This record gives sequence, C-alpha cells and structure tokens, in this order.
Amino acid sequence: QKEVEQNSGPLSVPEGAIASLNCTYSDRGSQSFFWYRQYSGKSPELIMFIYSNGDKEDGRFTAQLNKASQYVSLLIRDSQPSDSATYLCAVNMEYGGSQGNLIFGKGTKLSVKP
Amino acid sequence: DTEVTQTPKHLVMGMTNKKSLKCEQHMGHRAMYWYKQKAKKPPELMFVYSYEKLSINESVPSRFSPECPNSSLLNLHLHALQPEDSALYLCASSPGVRAGSGYTFGSGTRLTVV
Repeated sequence: QKEVEQNSGPLSVPEGAIASLNCTYSDRGSQSFFWYRQYSGKSPELIMFIYSNGDKEDGRFTAQLNKASQYVSLLIRDSQPSDSATYLCAVNMEYGGSQGNLIFGKGTKLSVKP
Repeated sequence: DTEVTQTPKHLVMGMTNKKSLKCEQHMGHRAMYWYKQKAKKPPELMFVYSYEKLSINESVPSRFSPECPNSSLLNLHLHALQPEDSALYLCASSPGVRAGSGYTFGSGTRLTVV
C-alpha cells in the first residue's frame, strides 16, 4: 500500500525559531518529493521539491531527503507568524504501470507564535 | 501564464441538480487532475487525464463524471450528489503524469450539497 506519513501536529514554535517538519513514505521506488503549504480554506501551494539525497535550500526553507531511510523533511528557519499553515508532504509514486501521481500525507499544522 | 483557473469558486446545489465544475490552464501541461479535499484531510485523487485521455479513475462514484474537451480544459460534471460530497474540489496540472516538477493547483471550488 502506498503511504505517506506525517505527524499531524499541531507543531508550535516561537517566532524566529526553526520549524522542523518530517515525512516518511512507503514506496522505495519513489523519485520525486514535494512540500506544499496550505492556508485554511485555500488550495495547496508548492514551496519545495527535491529529487536527490541531501539538502536543498531555497531562502528560509531547506528540504532534506534520505532515500535509504525513506524520509524527507522540511526546515523553516526564522519562522514567521505568516508561516502558520498546514504543510503537506507529497510523494510521486508509480501507479498503474508507468504512470505516477502525487500521494499526499495528512499534513502537519504549524503554528508560529509572535 | 502560470495559473490554473477554476470556476465557480463556490457552488451550492441540491441533490437533484446537475452542475459542472470547470478548470483551465494555459501552461502547455499535458496532465490534469481532479482532487477532492474534505476539511482537515489531505487531497484525495479522483481522476487523472493524460494527453486528454482518462488514465486513472480512483473508484469514484458515477455521479461524478469527468471530461477533457481539449488539452487546456477539464470539466467535472456533477449529478445527484449527496451531502457527504460537500468538499473543496481541486484541479491541478503538471507537464506530464510523472509529475517531476510537481502539480500546480487551482484555487478550488468549494461545493456544498444541500
């Protein structure tokens, strides 16, 4: 069964701290990994994607991937109240032969306190 | 143009009504998707269109009927819905079904069935 697991939270951090969000996935053959941010009542917004083992940095965001451990994480440095949202981990899993589609985790709700 | 446009943004319909949701993208993407999202849940895949052909149907009830008239348009026809079908319906697109660069989501249609 194809699964993406996340701690649902809520995760509460003070403003300026580092927020660490974690995700594990079941399909060892997965190649593409994504982090989406979703504000309440809005649609998901892609903030990071990563394909290779290691770290990928974009501004205050760092995605980390460890394929051997089937683990992907998102670090948010200098967290701001505007970062308060639900963060969805998504993994591109092979489905129906050669096709793939995104499987989403349940999301982690992040709250950044001023 | 890097947007996926969904109309209407909100829809209230009775259980005997017939309505349609519309999705449009002009990014040249060849894969388009319908997702359903209930409150505090992750998006759940309903349908995948690849090169205007239906490639995945995730056992969705027949009261939901997708249509892809051309490479830029995706419709979801609704008939005889139930109150439990009330949800946020999200359209997304990607360059191809392998979703190597992630999906771009529209802003969604919030559907209420009364």
